[in-house]
Amino acid sequence: DIQMTQSPSSVSASVGDRVTITCRASQGIGARLAWYQQKPGKAPNLLIYTASTLQRGVPSRFSGGVSGTDFTLTISSLQPEDFATYYCQQTNTFPLSFGGGTEVEIK
Amino acid sequence: EVQLVESGGGLVKPGGSLRLSCAASGFTFSNAWMSWVRQAPGKGLEWVARIKRRSDGGTTEHAAPVKGRFTISRDDSENTLYLHMNSLKTEDTAVYFCTTYLMVAGNFVGHDIWGHGTMVTVSS
Repeated sequence: DIQMTQSPSSVSASVGDRVTITCRASQGIGARLAWYQQKPGKAPNLLIYTASTLQRGVPSRFSGGVSGTDFTLTISSLQPEDFATYYCQQTNTFPLSFGGGTEVEIK
Repeated sequence: EVQLVESGGGLVKPGGSLRLSCAASGFTFSNAWMSWVRQAPGKGLEWVARIKRRSDGGTTEHAAPVKGRFTISRDDSENTLYLHMNSLKTEDTAVYFCTTYLMVAGNFVGHDIWGHGTMVTVSS
């Protein structure tokens, strides 16, 4: 099974900050990675798929990148509505697996 | 409006059974690959099961922790997805989300539509 390791597990940041979250796959998955945002008590929301494609309606301050088996989610200028938990998911191989999550907190 | 609405959650004793339902509206359910994803209290997301659309064979996949105990199924005439859960364990306690597969060029790329979730608590 493919393990997805996310870091950091939490990050404190201020409005306007640039935030980068990393997700590492235990084996090659090409660009088959999705990113989700989840707010407390709500369902996850798809932000990015195939590592760097923005889902419809997602603000352009979100971007995704890939280098080998390392994936990044970057928020270029953190907004108040961005404080949430973010998850990566590999979409390459069953069983589909998620990272452990990164909580973005208000500093 | 595109919508998924789960129901059927509740409190059940270890070893018991439960059937979750997910009613779909606002899109062509019969064309969609569907999935269940769960989240234990205070924990991360865990993929549970997937079912293809009938025209792609309607085949299913289940995660190892639930294989042999849970069964995903669908009724396209009722626009409803199901999760039949047997031999429930305390570690199955979670919010269960119904979700669709976003397919691009025939490949799964992410879950784009989610329900609000239904809570399953397994406890004596």
